[in-house]
Amino acid sequence: QLQLRESGPGLVKPSETLSLTCTVSGGSISSTSDYWAWIRQPPGQGLEWIGSVYYSGSTQYNPSLKSRLTISVDTSNNQFSLKLTSLTAADTAVFYCARRGGDFWSGYRFDYWGQGTLVTVSS
Amino acid sequence: EIVLTQSPGTLSLSPGERATLSCRASQSISSRYLAWYQQKPGQAPRLLIYGASSRATGIPDRFSGSGSGTDFTLTISRLEPEDFAVYYCHQCGTSPDTFGQGTKLEIK
Repeated sequence: QLQLRESGPGLVKPSETLSLTCTVSGGSISSTSDYWAWIRQPPGQGLEWIGSVYYSGSTQYNPSLKSRLTISVDTSNNQFSLKLTSLTAADTAVFYCARRGGDFWSGYRFDYWGQGTLVTVSS
Repeated sequence: EIVLTQSPGTLSLSPGERATLSCRASQSISSRYLAWYQQKPGQAPRLLIYGASSRATGIPDRFSGSGSGTDFTLTISRLEPEDFAVYYCHQCGTSPDTFGQGTKLEIK
């Protein structure tokens, strides 16, 4: 059974950089059919796709965050990571990592999710 | 970006009743790229439906999805107590991926 687990600080100061890591177990991050994604959810609000990475390092970013965002993959450790710079209180959210599985014919979807980690931006 | 608008915002029903949730896209999307998720408080979203109408592994058959183009529907045929939660639609056919704002299904 595939499992994903987020790790990183729970509290970050404004203007600083957030670094989160997602560790994948029970499967390989080098699967040629999957993308690996970050999704966030501000308290009491809906879901926002942040961006995705392929095992090759190819990335897709949400344009609203692109100027502050870097997503990378470490296949040797079966992990992928997020760096988000210049944080403000508006970045306070639960951050989830997820697998985008599927294929062209059946469609794509986020079929496995981590449990989420709350990141609070505050001085 | 494609905007997904879910309605109603809140749906109040009783166990045993039928629930119909709507997701409307600002432009046409392939049904292959429309999914539905259920989220309970303090939990990660759970995949229910992908490809607009295919149930994910382990999802009871009281959950069904339908629709095409810009209009999609999630139906729960007979509500169980554990079905009261927030439901999100999601499209991944056009970048950036987007989610609807959610429909909260509450006990009447």
